[in-house]
Amino acid sequence: EDKVVQSPLSLVVHEGDTVTLNCSYEVTNFRSLLWYKQEKKAPTFLFMLTSSGIEKKSGRLSSILDKKELSSILNITATQTGDSAIYLCAGGTSYGKLTFGQGTILTVHP
Amino acid sequence: DGGITQSPKYLFRKEGQNVTLSCEQNLNHDAMYWYRQDPGQGLRLIYYSQIVNDFQKGDIAEGYSVSREKKESFPLTVTSAQKNPTAFYLCATSWRAGNTGELFFGEGSRLTVL
Repeated sequence: EDKVVQSPLSLVVHEGDTVTLNCSYEVTNFRSLLWYKQEKKAPTFLFMLTSSGIEKKSGRLSSILDKKELSSILNITATQTGDSAIYLCAGGTSYGKLTFGQGTILTVHP
Repeated sequence: DGGITQSPKYLFRKEGQNVTLSCEQNLNHDAMYWYRQDPGQGLRLIYYSQIVNDFQKGDIAEGYSVSREKKESFPLTVTSAQKNPTAFYLCATSWRAGNTGELFFGEGSRLTVL
């Protein structure tokens, strides 16, 4: 059975802090690693990673995949209260199945 | 508007009743997915379909059933056999079968069993 594990499960920080969220995966026929942000209802897409060692960036967010370690990290610098959300990662297979982790609940205090 | 429509948004059910959640998409995407989310938790895969008339069980398929008779539609039935059906249900699509790229999500359906 495919498995994706995220850590920490919850994190409380103050505005301006930098956070690192972790995701490890055991996915048969692995194809891609995806990160999502969920604030209220529908998760919104952040990154898709397929190649090891290549950092993807979007503003204050960045992510990188390590296929040797079967893991990925999501970094958020200079956090803001609007970053408060559940962050989800998912491992995708070559036949279309995506398995999500438990999520990391990030709370950013002013 | 292009997108994914889930209905109803809120649904209350008595124990022992089957209910069907609707998911319709006009994105012309091949693949469709159903996930369940419990409070403060991640998403767990119930069923997924890569093409019409074909679908696969996910990790928690027991007590659920689906059909994929049309490309646009992937309804989920929560049967009375599902022991703990109260949850938030999310439907998602992906543009091509076998392509684990970006998933597009509907707004979700919240089911409460009374």
